[in-house]
Amino acid sequence: AQSVTQPDIHITVSEGASLELRCNYSYGATPYLFWYVQSPGQGLQLLLKYFSGDTLVQGIKGFEAEFKRSQSSFNLRKPSVHWSDAAEYFCAVAGLNTGGFKTIFGAGTRLFVKA
Amino acid sequence: DAGVIQSPRHEVTEMGQEVTLRCKPISGHDYLFWYRQTMMRGLELLIYFNNNVPIDDSGMPEDRFSAKMPNASFSTLKIQPSEPRDSAVYFCASSFRIRTLLTDTQYFGPGTRLTVL
Repeated sequence: AQSVTQPDIHITVSEGASLELRCNYSYGATPYLFWYVQSPGQGLQLLLKYFSGDTLVQGIKGFEAEFKRSQSSFNLRKPSVHWSDAAEYFCAVAGLNTGGFKTIFGAGTRLFVKA
Repeated sequence: DAGVIQSPRHEVTEMGQEVTLRCKPISGHDYLFWYRQTMMRGLELLIYFNNNVPIDDSGMPEDRFSAKMPNASFSTLKIQPSEPRDSAVYFCASSFRIRTLLTDTQYFGPGTRLTVL
């Protein structure tokens, strides 16, 4: 079955520190992978996506993610976190199956940034 | 562009009442998606449309839920009758088919927070 796992419900990092948010997926075919950010009271905003090519993907706001097929992972990273990065982050996988187009979201990781 | 517009932003209603959520997609976008977000189930795709036609409604939880898209600039999600377990944030998203549905970016609205008492 298709699934997305974000092992960390919440993470706290200091401003200026590096960040890595984990995402593992289970999908039978070639996955199309996404990271979204959701600020309080807002909708989801796409940070980056991967569907082919270079396995290191650059996104907006200084984020990047690396697709590792052997580990079924698509971890999100940022070298230096800003206080404005505090939000909830969702990993998602999209695909086509017999039921049609499906996007499955992870449960999310809430990021707290301390001064 | 104003982005995806949803109304109302907040809705509080009593069990048994009809609820209608509204969405205006980004102009020119040909796909529209309705999602529901809850603490227990996370973010779930309910239904999506292509050129105003419902393509996949397998995520709609029950017959109490219905969605329509009478034209390219407007969609509704209706719950009748509403129940407390329908309390959630409902998001509408739209996209424009550039390459494939799988790779196109979805643009989300701010959501409607529904509380059913």
